[in-house]
Amino acid sequence: GQNIDQPTEMTATEGAIVQINCTYQTSGFNGLFWYQQHAGEAPTFLSYNVLDGLEEKGRFSSFLSRSKGYSYLLLKELQMKDSASYLCAVRDGDYKLSFGAGTTVTVRA
Amino acid sequence: GAVVSQHPSWVICKSGTSVKIECRSLDFQATTMFWYRQFPKQSLMLMATSNEGSKATYEQGVEKDKFLINHASLTLSTLTVTSAHPEDSSFYICSATGPLDYEQYFGPGTRLTVT
Repeated sequence: GQNIDQPTEMTATEGAIVQINCTYQTSGFNGLFWYQQHAGEAPTFLSYNVLDGLEEKGRFSSFLSRSKGYSYLLLKELQMKDSASYLCAVRDGDYKLSFGAGTTVTVRA
Repeated sequence: GAVVSQHPSWVICKSGTSVKIECRSLDFQATTMFWYRQFPKQSLMLMATSNEGSKATYEQGVEKDKFLINHASLTLSTLTVTSAHPEDSSFYICSATGPLDYEQYFGPGTRLTVT
């Protein structure tokens, strides 16, 4: 099975940077995903890492270290619309996703 | 591209009745679809994996006789909650594996309320 940990809540001001950490213990690893989920809506795909290193996509970047079982999602130039829950998910060898509990990010003016 | 739809978006039913939720991949063929359940302020929990033309694989603790899954075509999977009870009230979300290996696209979810 998978054990995925991420902080419950984070607060930051508009224009700032926030880093959401995720640690995992897995019985099989086939990629790590980050999703954004607004209240009452389905998750939307943000990023995918399968190799170590940093993946940058506009204001969002994601990092993975497989040896440490660690990833982070970096949100730059925060906007009010970035207030949402951010889910870290690990895919196992059977291509099933296991999700962390999610980190609620609140962006304040 | 890679759009997944769900129907209905919300449903209210009485205890003891059955409810069917449809999940469709609109512009791609999905050999594998997944069904998740999400309770308020909790994360998504995988219920079952559905492959076209074969029986669904259920996660531990999920009653396969209560949550019937049918994946009759490459674009449609259905989840039927049989004899629903108030504790089945939840947000049900499906996803489908997209054209690229790592992609998993989520439907908009169905909010089920059992009274």
